[in-house]
Amino acid sequence: QVQLQESGPGLVKPSETLSLTCTVSGGSISSYYWSWIRQPPGKGLEWIGYIYYSGSSNYNSSLKSRVTISVDTSKNQFSLKLNSVTAADTAVYYCARLAGASRIAAAGTQFDYWGQGILVTVSS
Amino acid sequence: QSALTQPRSVSGSPGQSVTISCTGTSSDVGDYNYVSWYQQHPGKAPKLMIYDVSKRPSGVPDRFSGSKSGNTASLTISGLQAEDEADYYCCSYAGSYTYVFGNGTEVTVL
Repeated sequence: QVQLQESGPGLVKPSETLSLTCTVSGGSISSYYWSWIRQPPGKGLEWIGYIYYSGSSNYNSSLKSRVTISVDTSKNQFSLKLNSVTAADTAVYYCARLAGASRIAAAGTQFDYWGQGILVTVSS
Repeated sequence: QSALTQPRSVSGSPGQSVTISCTGTSSDVGDYNYVSWYQQHPGKAPKLMIYDVSKRPSGVPDRFSGSKSGNTASLTISGLQAEDEADYYCCSYAGSYTYVFGNGTEVTVL
């Protein structure tokens, strides 16, 4: 059974960089695409971006200028960096696995495994 | 990319059926048969309930079904049970390797 676990600081100051890591257990990080998704308090889900084990990535256009997702296959981990954060970036951040790769949607069509989520608050 | 449009809330009595709509555009829901649905209980991570419009992952009760017509996808819960009370989110592949979620629907079991 694949399990994902987010880790990182729960409090980040405005204008600084939010850094989170997702550790994958119960399976290899290879052969799948891995995503970050966030949810502001009381609001809906927002897809942030994904990474492939090869390093190939893609991001939500609304966050693209501030986001970097990277992968460390030796540790079975992938990471999120979001710079120049503001209070609007306060959210529960989830990591998730993309599954169901197809000819049209090569990265996958559904998020089948999720971490428990980590609340990150942006405040001075 | 704008969020897909879902009703804020729907409700039903135990045993009844409820349907949640998810309206997008011809660039996402209307263009791909890649709509998925997620159930989220308070304080918990989302759980995949339906993928590729109408397919159910192993372990998801057959009370949950999905469909699509044009730019609108739908999730139907038949035989509503107390444990179905949760928030539900749709998600669609939106082309160019991107994804868009709906704004979420709160399901209340009366």
